[in-house]
Amino acid sequence: GQNIDQPTEMTATEGAIVQINCTYQTSGFNGLFWYQQHAGEAPTFLSYNVLDGLEEKGRFSSFLSRSKGYSYLLLKELQMKDSASYLCAVREYSGAGSYQLTFGKGTKLSVIP
Amino acid sequence: AAGVIQSPRHLIKEKRETATLKCYPIPRHDTVYWYQQGPGQDPQFLISFYEKMQSDKGSIPDRFSAQQFSDYHSELNMSSLELGDSALYFCASSVRGLGEAFFGQGTRLTVV
Repeated sequence: GQNIDQPTEMTATEGAIVQINCTYQTSGFNGLFWYQQHAGEAPTFLSYNVLDGLEEKGRFSSFLSRSKGYSYLLLKELQMKDSASYLCAVREYSGAGSYQLTFGKGTKLSVIP
Repeated sequence: AAGVIQSPRHLIKEKRETATLKCYPIPRHDTVYWYQQGPGQDPQFLISFYEKMQSDKGSIPDRFSAQQFSDYHSELNMSSLELGDSALYFCASSVRGLGEAFFGQGTRLTVV
């Protein structure tokens, strides 16, 4: 099983930088994902980390420390359209070719002018 | 590029009825996940399949069953529907343990 924690809500100003943290506890770690989800829509993939370090993708970056069970998503130059829920998800290998992808409860980000 | 396709997009059923949701994964993706997402909730893992075999099981009620067919599409069968089953149901597909899972647009099930 897994225990994934992330803040429930955050507010940031347009043009600023925001960091959304995620901590997890799991065995059989096989990758950490960040998804963006607008209300009523499907989650869309943002980033994927399986090794320690920083992955940068345009305005979005994601960091992973496997030893600490910690990740963060960094959003730069915030835009109003970035207002959404950001979901941290951990994939766990549970043996015999079985993988489970479990989501945290999501962080609702509000970008204000 | 082809994406994950779910049908129907919307479904309204009465209590105690049955519903079947369909998911067509991205071609060459061999793993399918099903999720249930209630209003304001995070996606809850229901069940997954790898190469047409059930791979893992989450919080799927006994009233629900699912399978993956030879063409890799998957169906989620829901019986004795309850009001609390009203939710968005997402299907996602991936290449086993590699890379990200891609989500379909979801099926919004309303039980009245």
